[in-house]
Formats: sequence, C-alpha cells, structure tokens
Amino acid sequence: EVQLVESGGGLVQPGGSLRLSCAASGFTFSRYWMSWVRQAPGKGLEWVANIKEDGSENYYVDSVKGRFTISRDNAKNSLYLDMNSLRGDDTAVYYCASMIFGGPFDYWGQGILVIVSS
Amino acid sequence: DIQMTQSPSSLSASVGDRVTITCRASQSISTYLNWYQQKPGKAPKLLIYTVSSLQSGVPSRFSGSGSGTDFTLTISSLQPEDFATYYCQQSHTAPRTFGQGTQVEIK
Repeated sequence: EVQLVESGGGLVQPGGSLRLSCAASGFTFSRYWMSWVRQAPGKGLEWVANIKEDGSENYYVDSVKGRFTISRDNAKNSLYLDMNSLRGDDTAVYYCASMIFGGPFDYWGQGILVIVSS
Repeated sequence: DIQMTQSPSSLSASVGDRVTITCRASQSISTYLNWYQQKPGKAPKLLIYTVSSLQSGVPSRFSGSGSGTDFTLTISSLQPEDFATYYCQQSHTAPRTFGQGTQVEIK
C-alpha cells in the first residue's frame, strides 16, 4: 500500500523557517517525481514545487522561488521542503504527492498544517 | 501560466442525478487533464487522468471527456459518497495549475 506521511508543520512567526518532511513507503520512491501541493484555508489547490527522480531538477511556483527549497533522499525514501522567509500567505495545508512526469499527482499524503502568524 | 476555469463553482444535486462539471483551459493542453475529488478535511484523490482514464478503484459512474481546451467530468448517477469538491488540473505545462474547484452539495 502506498503511504505518504508528512511531518514538521506547525506555527511559525512571519520571517521564520520550517522544514517539512514526507516519508514514503509502498512504492519505488526513487522512480517517481515528487511534489508539494498546498491549500490555504477554505481555498483551492496550488502546486508549490516538484523534484525529479534523482533530484537533479526542481521547479517552483513563482511565489516561493528563492524562499523554498525542495529536496529528497532516495536512500531514506524521504522528501523535504525547506521554507524560509515565511509569510502569512504561506499559511496552508501542505501535501506531498507522487507525480508522473507529464501526468497526474497520483498519490497524496494526509497533509500537514503550516500557520504563519505572530 | 495556463489558467483553468471550472463551472459551475458549486451545484446542488440529488442522489441518482447525472452531474456534469466543465473545465476550460486558457490554451490548448491536448489531453493532459486530470480530475481529483476532495472531501472535507481529507487529501485530494485522483479520479481520472489524461482526460478519460479511470484511476484504479474509481467507480465506473465517473467519466471524463474532451481535448484541447474544453473538458468535462460526468457522474452518471450521483451517490451519497460523491458529495465533495472536484478539481481539474493540467499536466501539460509548468506550473501545474488547478481549477478553482466545484463543490457538489446535496439538494
């Protein structure tokens, strides 16, 4: 069974930093692109970042470029999102999701809440 | 960025009704169109990929059609467990954008 389990969320002050983690199991993690998708309270879905199978390529939505960094450790079947210079509009539930390049987000974690507030 | 526009934003329907949701892309995305279902407090779930392919385990009452810029998700006979929010998403071009969602409510 495919499982994606996010951790590391919580309350952080504006300008602060946080690291999200996603532990993957039940599939060959190293063969999949991986993504982070977020959802602000009461809002729709927004793709944030994705990373190639071997970590050699990554892409970001414009609003997080220069502030967020996606990375992965295939030996640990883990995906990460380092978030710096956090702003109030980064408040959201963050989901990790596996992705087929050119295809859908096929499996999703349960999500982790990040609240940016003083 | 490719804009995805869903209509309607919400709808009320009864169990057994046929429901249709449309999704329009701001430019051609060929068949790189996917649909997700999300229930309150839960993660989205992939329903349909590349316009009309059903994800494993998804009931056959769900179907998709379209190409280019105009796409449709149809639920042939709405069931109680189908009340949820549905999102379309294009996987043609980065950034991978979503529609704003369509909330399907009980009439």
